[in-house]
Amino acid sequence: DQQVKQNSPSLSVQEGRISILNCDYTNSMFDYFLWYKKYPAEGPTFLISISSIKDKNEDGRFTVFLNKSAKHLSLHIVPSQPGDSAVYFCAARGFGNEKLTFGTGTRLTIIP
Amino acid sequence: DVKVTQSSRYLVKRTGEKVFLECVQDMDHENMFWYRQDPGLGLRLIYFSYDVKMKEKGDIPEGYSVSREKKERFSLILESASTNQTSMYLCASRNRGPRGTYEQYFGPGTRLTVT
Repeated sequence: DQQVKQNSPSLSVQEGRISILNCDYTNSMFDYFLWYKKYPAEGPTFLISISSIKDKNEDGRFTVFLNKSAKHLSLHIVPSQPGDSAVYFCAARGFGNEKLTFGTGTRLTIIP
Repeated sequence: DVKVTQSSRYLVKRTGEKVFLECVQDMDHENMFWYRQDPGLGLRLIYFSYDVKMKEKGDIPEGYSVSREKKERFSLILESASTNQTSMYLCASRNRGPRGTYEQYFGPGTRLTVT
């Protein structure tokens, strides 16, 4: 049972435009959400996170939005740059849990 | 700067071999994790450890075991490697408890091929 879903396996965006990556979850006990970025042959690196008590968190070009009623979060990258081409994973933490549950990933390609 | 290192970047083993994947972190983290990454399946948790000699099964522990004899080192063992264990293996660590962003720090990964 996939508790964290990224329904788009891939996404292509023109350089300079906005990239929007989506993530849906089913477990209402998730209280913290993270986005990771992964280049080929490297480990994932942390990008940005959001607590369930917030609906938006911003860090430079990256903004994460959380809609708890819809159990949906999204990552916005503005403007998109070629170096943003990577696989993006969303992850969620259950209350009191030390583990993270990861989504299946979305491969983002930025077209110059 | 947190550093998580993994003993090999690439490994080729034969079916039936015993395989050891080693992970070392230098930030005195209590929690350590082993994941595998497969296309279309994302990162799936194999085992994690929240202290020395402590371990818990993750979502896909079958065919694997782990060892944590020292706080900084967490080993993943494939008792008898099979072709369906060909994958990218990722180790991660973080402090225990509700602090910060719950970020886990990942090593560079080991690409294991079982032939």
